[in-house]
Amino acid sequence: EIVMTQSPATLSVSPGERATLSCRASQSVSSNLAWYQQKPGQAPRLLIYGASTRATGIPARFSGSGSGTEFTLTISSLQSEDFAVYYCQQYNNWPRNTFGQGTKLEIK
Amino acid sequence: EVQLVQSGAEVKKPGESLKISCKGSGYSFTSYWIGWVRQMPGKGLEWMGIIYPGDSDTRYSPSFQGQVTISADKSISTAYLQWSSLKASDTAMYYCARRVDTAMITYRAFDIWGQGTMITVSS
Repeated sequence: EIVMTQSPATLSVSPGERATLSCRASQSVSSNLAWYQQKPGQAPRLLIYGASTRATGIPARFSGSGSGTEFTLTISSLQSEDFAVYYCQQYNNWPRNTFGQGTKLEIK
Repeated sequence: EVQLVQSGAEVKKPGESLKISCKGSGYSFTSYWIGWVRQMPGKGLEWMGIIYPGDSDTRYSPSFQGQVTISADKSISTAYLQWSSLKASDTAMYYCARRVDTAMITYRAFDIWGQGTMITVSS
């Protein structure tokens, strides 16, 4: 099973600043990686797929990069509604897709 | 509107059986796989398994193989997750989510999620 490791576990950032979240795979997943946002009491929402393609309706301040084993989600200028938990998921290894443990983005 | 609507919260006792549902609407149900994801209280997301309603092809995570059963009824655009004997450790929120059936792996993320079904197992 491919293990996905996210860092940091918690990230404190001020509104308007940039946030950078990392996700590492235990073996190559090519570009078959997604990022999801989950707010308290809500279902996850797809932000990025294919490592760098924004899903429908996702603001341009969200961007993804990376391939192979190292991936990054960047939020360029944090808005109040962006404070949430973010998960990466690899879907290269079929059918054993796996999630990272999550990064909580909190207000500094 | 494309949506997945899940059945309501359940409170059960250990040893009881349970079947929860996930109904798709606004899209071609048989063109997408439906996956199930567990989220234990205060914890992260765990991929449980997935089914293709078109032919009921089903795959499980090793962690959940034999612990749950995933099924679907394409005639009513509904997928199911069931337990034959619940344990307290099954207490969690369960989400269904869809991903397109495609040979192009890059598009296989879960793009639409259900609202979740909370299962509480307690004596």
